[in-house]
Amino acid sequence: KNQVEQSPQSLIILEGKNCTLQCNYTVSPFSNLRWYKQDTGRGPVSLTIMTFSENTKSNGRYTATLDADTKQSSLHITASQLSDSASYICVVSATGTASKLTFGTGTRLQVTL
Amino acid sequence: DAGVIQSPRHEVTEMGQEVTLRCKPISGHNSLFWYRQTMMRGLELLIYFNNNVPIDDSGMPEDRFSAKMPNASFSTLKIQPSEPRDSAVYFCASGPGPTFGSGTRLTVV
Repeated sequence: KNQVEQSPQSLIILEGKNCTLQCNYTVSPFSNLRWYKQDTGRGPVSLTIMTFSENTKSNGRYTATLDADTKQSSLHITASQLSDSASYICVVSATGTASKLTFGTGTRLQVTL
Repeated sequence: DAGVIQSPRHEVTEMGQEVTLRCKPISGHNSLFWYRQTMMRGLELLIYFNNNVPIDDSGMPEDRFSAKMPNASFSTLKIQPSEPRDSAVYFCASGPGPTFGSGTRLTVV
């Protein structure tokens, strides 16, 4: 069964600090992995998308890594800001199944002063 | 581009009433998805259209739910009759991507 697990479930950090969110998956055959940011009351917004051949991708202060061998991904946030407070969702797509995105349950990040 | 547009943003209805959620996908996108999000279950795919044709509706919970896509620029998700357990945020997304709309928060009392 395809699964995506994220950790931690929630995280509180001080503004300006860095943090790393984890995603482990068992989706097969793997096509791509996306990280989404979901602000409260809004729809998820794509941050990064990585295919099998990519092991790192950046979007501003967000850097995602992918290890296809161990089936792990991480999202690193540098110099956090209050606006980074949101849920971060890891989504994995299997090859040939456009509709079958497997969603993680997300990490709820709170950045405080 | 205005992105994926959903309406209404909020809907409160009484149990047993019919509810219709609407979606306008991004122009040029040929895939459209309806998702439901709850605290307990996270994001769940309800139905997927490709080129206006329903491809995968295995996530539609029961016959009370129906979805249509009469053309490339419009889709509806209908619940009839609605029940309190249908309360959730319903997202429409279009692809490739997918790109999500802002969602409709449905409350059935």
